[in-house]
Amino acid sequence: TQLLEQSPQFLSIQEGENLTVYCNSSSVFSSLQWYRQEPGEGPVLLVTVVTGGEVKKLKRLTFQFGDARKDSSLHITAAQPGDTGLYLCAGAGSSNTGKLIFGQGTTLQVKP
Amino acid sequence: NAGVTQTPKFRVLKTGQSMTLLCAQDMNHEYMYWYRQDPGMGLRLIHYSVGEGTTAKGEVPDGYNVSRLKKQNFLLGLESAAPSQTSVYFCASSSIRDRRDTQYFGPGTRLTVL
Repeated sequence: TQLLEQSPQFLSIQEGENLTVYCNSSSVFSSLQWYRQEPGEGPVLLVTVVTGGEVKKLKRLTFQFGDARKDSSLHITAAQPGDTGLYLCAGAGSSNTGKLIFGQGTTLQVKP
Repeated sequence: NAGVTQTPKFRVLKTGQSMTLLCAQDMNHEYMYWYRQDPGMGLRLIHYSVGEGTTAKGEVPDGYNVSRLKKQNFLLGLESAAPSQTSVYFCASSSIRDRRDTQYFGPGTRLTVL
């Protein structure tokens, strides 16, 4: 059974601080995705990483896929209150079904 | 283009009652999924479908049934609701013409079973 361990589960920081969220597994994934979810809404895809060692940037967010494709990280620089939300990592296996395994999620609160 | 819609948004059931959750997508996607989200547990896959008329079990299928009679619709049924099925349910879809692991989610249905 593939599992994704996401840490930390909760993070409360001041505006302007940096933070990193981690997603780890003992399994290899064909791709790994990061979603953001607002209260009362469904998850929205932020990025997909597919190649070991790949780094993608989305404004102040930097996503990295581990060399062995077993782990990933999300780094936010100079966090803003608008970054507040639930961040979810999800890994895809090698099947063609598109099935995803989700981490437990990280609830981020950025205080002004 | 509404994307993925879910009906109803909220529902309260008594133990033993039955209900059906409807998911509809207007993106002509082949794949559809039903998840449940519980605090501290991320999203867990209940059932999924890779095409009209086909369904398969996910990680937590017990107590649920699904049907995909039309390509655009995916129904999730609870035959005899239990308090353990209190959760937020999300439907998602993806396309074989794009990355199959790029899923588009609906807004969710919040279900409470008393």
